[in-house]
Amino acid sequence: ETGVTQSPTHLIKTRGQQVTLRCSSQSGHNTVSWYQQALGQGPQFIFQYYREEENGRGNFPPRFSGLQFPNYSSELNVNALELDDSALYLCASSLSRGSGANVLTFGAGSRLTVL
Amino acid sequence: ILNVEQSPQSLHVQEGDSTNFTCSFPSSNFYALHWYRWETAKSPEALFVMTLNGDEKKKGRISATLNTKEGYSYLYIKGSQPEDSATYLCAFLYNAGNNRKLIWGLGTSLAVNP
Repeated sequence: ETGVTQSPTHLIKTRGQQVTLRCSSQSGHNTVSWYQQALGQGPQFIFQYYREEENGRGNFPPRFSGLQFPNYSSELNVNALELDDSALYLCASSLSRGSGANVLTFGAGSRLTVL
Repeated sequence: ILNVEQSPQSLHVQEGDSTNFTCSFPSSNFYALHWYRWETAKSPEALFVMTLNGDEKKKGRISATLNTKEGYSYLYIKGSQPEDSATYLCAFLYNAGNNRKLIWGLGTSLAVNP
């Protein structure tokens, strides 16, 4: 059983650029959620995808968008990067959409630095 | 605004000490309470998911209790070891119709000195 893998692990961008982060969910999981963790903060929910459709979104502007593919892998896209977007971005997969009792399996994260 | 608070923010204990920390959450629209352990340079790892008032769960030397009526959960570590050093995160899943979201606390950072 493979875990959740994220890529890239680290990247540096400049303000105004666009970035795509990728996540492969754990085998058998059909739900992917993305979190942003800024320095000194807890994880903040960005959005969740279930069977290729967005299913819940946190307080993030539209320049944060995502995709889920038929194999349940996912992408997080951020346009017009701002300095405050510098953070660790975590992807987590789980089985099913409605039951929050299912645990999340996290990837190691992608560390984004915006200069 | 829904808020999850964890205390203390950080603590240092000696190897062999037992310790506990608290997660406070809103007592309404409760669905589940998650605990995760996050070691530096690793992925967060699930410890417990608790759904019923009065739940007690145990995993080795770590255990947790849940009080949904008053809105708190305790995490206990018995006989702390250096490998227990990590940040312990709790997350409250609230149920508002078809919309369920996990609200995370800021974590308790534990350092166990050998």
